[in-house]
Amino acid sequence: AQTVTQSQPEMSVQEAETVTLSCTYDTSENNYYLFWYKQPPSRQMILVIRQEAYKQQNATENRFSVNFQKAAKSFSLKISDSQLGDTAMYFCAFMKPQNRDDKIIFGKGTRLHILP
Amino acid sequence: DTGVSQDPRHKITKRGQNVTFRCDPISEHNRLYWYRQTLGQGPEFLTYFQNEAQLEKSRLLSDRFSAERPKGSFSTLEIQRTEQGDSAMYLCASSSAWQNYGYTFGSGTRLTVV
Repeated sequence: AQTVTQSQPEMSVQEAETVTLSCTYDTSENNYYLFWYKQPPSRQMILVIRQEAYKQQNATENRFSVNFQKAAKSFSLKISDSQLGDTAMYFCAFMKPQNRDDKIIFGKGTRLHILP
Repeated sequence: DTGVSQDPRHKITKRGQNVTFRCDPISEHNRLYWYRQTLGQGPEFLTYFQNEAQLEKSRLLSDRFSAERPKGSFSTLEIQRTEQGDSAMYLCASSSAWQNYGYTFGSGTRLTVV
């Protein structure tokens, strides 16, 4: 069974700084998808960034980028020029490719506080 | 399309009562998922549907829980004889079987059992 581990329960950084959230996962699959989801306080979960395991190039979305190390099964999220609106729970997640078992497995999350 | 809708947003019920939640997915999405999220934890998978077929149920889904998706459109999640341990956020999400873009989540239904 796949597992996703986020070792940082909580982090705080000053506004405009860069912060990196860690995630490791365990799987025997070769082809899969990894995600970072953001859940602001009392608001719905939204997809931040997505990475296909077969792609060597790290995904980027504006201020958000990942460091995907397939051999190490590591998938960290870097937030550059952090903003107050980045304050949220961040969940790392894993999904096998399309088939009958495509449920997403989530980590326990990292609570990120951006300080003014 | 306004995304994934869940109703109600909040539900307070007495222990032992039955509750039912509704989820309306994005119309072109044929897959629908239910997750449960307790405070400070990540979402845990409960069950999912492809069209009207329920393809998988987690061991977390006891006999008191039942989910349906008639006609492959909206879905309902019913909890019978609620217990205090059922208090959680119940999240619904949908996706397309032809895409691997991840899920679109609803805002969730927060259940409090008193």
